[in-house]
Amino acid sequence: DAKTTQPPSMDCAEGRAANLPCNHSTISGNEYVYWYRQIHSQGPQYIIHGLKNNETNEMASLIITEDRKSSTLILPHATLRDTAVYYCIVRVATGTASKLTFGTGTRLQVTL
Amino acid sequence: DAGVTQSPTHLIKTRGQQVTLRCSPKSGHDTVSWYQQALGQGPQFIFQYYEEEERQRGNFPDRFSGHQFPNYSSELNVNALLLGDSALYLCASSLRMGELEYFGPGTRLTVT
Repeated sequence: DAKTTQPPSMDCAEGRAANLPCNHSTISGNEYVYWYRQIHSQGPQYIIHGLKNNETNEMASLIITEDRKSSTLILPHATLRDTAVYYCIVRVATGTASKLTFGTGTRLQVTL
Repeated sequence: DAGVTQSPTHLIKTRGQQVTLRCSPKSGHDTVSWYQQALGQGPQFIFQYYEEEERQRGNFPDRFSGHQFPNYSSELNVNALLLGDSALYLCASSLRMGELEYFGPGTRLTVT
């Protein structure tokens, strides 16, 4: 699985958009980009994933660059409850065994 | 619809002892993965079970073993506990191998 690089921490004001970047320059053509978050020692929570097109769901948007070497997770209106560690993970999504390889993630602090 | 459940929530063991952690997957899921998360680190993959067989294993010693039952629930066993085994142990389940993984709340193991 390709390695990802994320900033260790970011701050965001409540109500503003939070844009979390991720670099995955060695990503392969069959590897997806996944985002999970973990709120204070709870289990990681799935947010969104994509292959090459931009994706949006009720939680967030995922923007993947055309060369697929980087992506941005966007929380459009951050709230205090979005304070968490956000993990960007690259993984092959096939019918065979495929693990999630977590890095140290980005600690997002949302403030008033 | 119950999500992934794990038991116990917390436990304390002494060095050298053995421990068994349990996981029930999300309804309809047949694949279970286990992860270890040390304090301040991202989760690290231990192994994955599908059809009652270990399908993939991370870089963990043989002291870590597992089992999957016909109802898809799973156990993680750790023998000869070391202080360094103190961590949050996370179980994740998916519909099939390589599909989206959903995490349980974890079991906090403290080894003294």
